[in-house]
Amino acid sequence: DIQMTQSPSTLSASVGDRVTITCRASQSISSWLAWYQQKPGKAPKLLIYKASGLESGVPSRFSGSGSGTEFTLTISSLQPDDFATYYCQQYESYSRTFGQGTKVGIK
Amino acid sequence: EVQLVESGGGLVQPGGALRLSCAASGFTFSSYGMNWVRQAPGKGLQWVSFISSGSLDIYYATSVKGRFTISRDNAQNSLYLQMNSLRDEDTAVYYCARETTVSSFPVGLDVWGQGTTVTVSS
Repeated sequence: DIQMTQSPSTLSASVGDRVTITCRASQSISSWLAWYQQKPGKAPKLLIYKASGLESGVPSRFSGSGSGTEFTLTISSLQPDDFATYYCQQYESYSRTFGQGTKVGIK
Repeated sequence: EVQLVESGGGLVQPGGALRLSCAASGFTFSSYGMNWVRQAPGKGLQWVSFISSGSLDIYYATSVKGRFTISRDNAQNSLYLQMNSLRDEDTAVYYCARETTVSSFPVGLDVWGQGTTVTVSS
């Protein structure tokens, strides 16, 4: 199975900060990567598909980049509604594995 | 409104069985691949299983292969997960999720249910 590793596991940031989360795959997954946001007690929400495609309705402060084995999710200016846990998920193999998550908290 | 609603969760003893259901509405269910994803208490997301729109392709995570069976009834707009030989580590919230595609390639899970809780305990 392809392993997905996110870093950091947790981060503290302030409103207005630029935030970057990294996701690394154990082997090349081309651009077959999605990013999700999850808030406590809620289902995840798709933010980014195919590494850099912005899902409809998602604010433009969210962006994704990367290909192969290294990917990043960037929030250009952190807003109060963005404090949540973020997950990457690969789609290269039939086993659609997730990263372990990155919790973005208030500094 | 596009919606997925899970049901069937509950408390079951180790070794027991449970069948989860997911009712879809607001979209053409038969056109989409569907997934089950679970989340153990305080833990991250774990992909469980996938079934293609016409049930031709079915995949499972290694941890559930041979114990869980995914199926769907397109006439009833419903997705199912039959879970047998349940273990403590299967305790989780189980979500059904619709898979979106770009040029017929899967690229993400764009619609999720609210989840149903499965607790495996004696």
